[in-house]
Amino acid sequence: GAGVSQSPRYKVAKRGRDVALRCDSISGHVTLYWYRQTLGQGSEVLTYSQSDAQRDKSGRPSGRFSAERPERSVSTLKIQRTEQGDSAVYLCASSSPGTLNSPLHFGNGTRLTVT
Amino acid sequence: DQQVKQNSPSLSVQEGRISILNCDYTNSMFDYFLWYKKYPAEGPTFLISISSIKDKNEDGRFTVFLNKSAKHLSLHIVPSQPGDSAVYFCAASALSGTYKYIFGTGTRLKVLA
Repeated sequence: GAGVSQSPRYKVAKRGRDVALRCDSISGHVTLYWYRQTLGQGSEVLTYSQSDAQRDKSGRPSGRFSAERPERSVSTLKIQRTEQGDSAVYLCASSSPGTLNSPLHFGNGTRLTVT
Repeated sequence: DQQVKQNSPSLSVQEGRISILNCDYTNSMFDYFLWYKKYPAEGPTFLISISSIKDKNEDGRFTVFLNKSAKHLSLHIVPSQPGDSAVYFCAASALSGTYKYIFGTGTRLKVLA
């Protein structure tokens, strides 16, 4: 379909290793978010970008998280030196340009488990 | 600091009755609010939204009410159906700043047949 897709669906990483999660957003969508969803703590915004080919560093929670957009509709979330507390579902979402408050379209997420 | 709060983690409602999901926010700069529905193993899907210039928005069985003075919004589902069983998230954003959508922690709705 033409929705937001994320890969891999599941990822297991050893603590201390770097991981990269991919998001293919909807063609034409400019604004892209990465959220981290943990049980009982809701969804936390990790990075946000409103233009293409931009590297974002949200500073949340400690600057280990960054996103790159090698192509307009592709984003890669990079997590450096993973910690066990990084175990969560990572959701990518995009929205169409033109309307400031366009609803977000979410992917199905990548479940990361840090061992 | 949770700017968007959903204080009820779960709710059970009989099929055919009304489901009321509540959401409170603390940031008076928020001026746009959305509700998302999430099934297990899937990403959230957009359900309904409301701008701060309105106090009510209706779409079929779903109505969102906004009380700006109380910084409170609610989602009403009438009549509730078993297929409505999901986790519901409210989200808020502000035109100022970076337009980030801030999500609540979600309320798990179970509609009993």
